[in-house]
Amino acid sequence: DADVTQTPRNRITKTGKRIMLECSQTKGHDRMYWYRQDPGLGLQLIYYSFDVKDINKGEISDGYSVSRQAQAKFSLSLESAIPNQTALYFCATSVGDNYGYTFGSGTRLTVV
Amino acid sequence: QKEVEQNSGPLSVPEGAIASLNCTYSDRVSQSFFWYRQYSGKSPELIMSIYSNGDKEDGRFTAQLNKASQYVSLLIRDSQPSDSATYLCAVNRMDSSYKLIFGSGTRLLVRP
Repeated sequence: DADVTQTPRNRITKTGKRIMLECSQTKGHDRMYWYRQDPGLGLQLIYYSFDVKDINKGEISDGYSVSRQAQAKFSLSLESAIPNQTALYFCATSVGDNYGYTFGSGTRLTVV
Repeated sequence: QKEVEQNSGPLSVPEGAIASLNCTYSDRVSQSFFWYRQYSGKSPELIMSIYSNGDKEDGRFTAQLNKASQYVSLLIRDSQPSDSATYLCAVNRMDSSYKLIFGSGTRLLVRP
């Protein structure tokens, strides 16, 4: 099994729908992150969490919300999906400062 | 100015050559630097980290860091077609908390 699992892998949804992307990890890392990737724009940070009670906005949090249900689970919600939220979404984990991230396999989201 | 800048490429090199990938960053107090490899449609994979000025070698990969010039590079020796991917540079941002900022990536193409 993968260390960082994202579900679903692919999702097509309609404009205005609420959708949740889920991330779970078996690495035991406290820190978890949600990024989106658009062609030519690199990875942009949406939200991050350093423990269950710590949630922080990233660069592009508008239109998104998150929930840290447990140390191992971090979910991303789009309250009312819009077409420009069509992107590849990645969850990542880290053990602490000065360490790199481990990424999940990604969720390709299409909003029509 | 972007916080982390990379030439988008593609950088095309023949098989067996040295590929040189470059990255500049804007935050002088950054302390941690990472290179990720990302195949098309896949998640980023950490291949190198570097924290001190100078070179760090790992197999065919060498990371080079020059903090005075705010410059980090990745050399790939004996390039193989399987090295064809997008290479992302990531640098930590030290504001209220530690997080990584990613460049938009350089696409490398190794010609057989």
